[in-house]
Amino acid sequence: GQNIDQPTEMTATEGAIVQINCTYQTSGFNGLFWYQQHAGEAPTFLSYNVLDGLEEKGRFSSFLSRSKGYSYLLLKELQMKDSASYLCAIIDSNYQLIWGAGTKLIIKP
Amino acid sequence: EAQVTQNPRYLITVTGKKLTVTCSQNMNHEYMSWYRQDPGLGLRQIYYSMNVEVTDKGDVPEGYKVSRKEKRNFPLILESPSPNQTSLYFCASSFSITGELFFGEGSRLTVL
Repeated sequence: GQNIDQPTEMTATEGAIVQINCTYQTSGFNGLFWYQQHAGEAPTFLSYNVLDGLEEKGRFSSFLSRSKGYSYLLLKELQMKDSASYLCAIIDSNYQLIWGAGTKLIIKP
Repeated sequence: EAQVTQNPRYLITVTGKKLTVTCSQNMNHEYMSWYRQDPGLGLRQIYYSMNVEVTDKGDVPEGYKVSRKEKRNFPLILESPSPNQTSLYFCASSFSITGELFFGEGSRLTVL
């Protein structure tokens, strides 16, 4: 079966760094997305990785290792507005998007 | 402004009363899809469409229908809603399956 695992909830302190992990077992791989979703709102795109390595975009970075079935989202200089759920999604071999259940990130002052 | 528009945003209905949730995008996107989101389950795909007149089932298509007669519109139809279809629904679109998904604001549906 297809499976994407993310921690259910994480807590971090304002100004700190947090890493949100995503491990997956899917039938094939054609890319991995990270989306941010604030409570009661629609998800918004953060990053897309299809090759191994680190993609940096401002305070957010996303890493992919296809051989390990592993990705992480790194958030630096955390701000209170970063409190949200972070969703990992995989494009499988049939070009279907498979979503993880999301990680709720709580930022404390 | 580039956007995906869903209507209605909120709806309370009764079992068996047919309803349609509309979705329209103004970005000329080929790919459109419908999701439902329930606590602890994440986003689950209901149906998707790669282009006009082409639709395919997602993970949870039972009880739903869709159509794609025009590129910009992708309505979700619940022929006979049941309480287990109470959920938050999102429509999304992108240029392709590997492209950034743009989501509508969501439609919160309650079936009594």
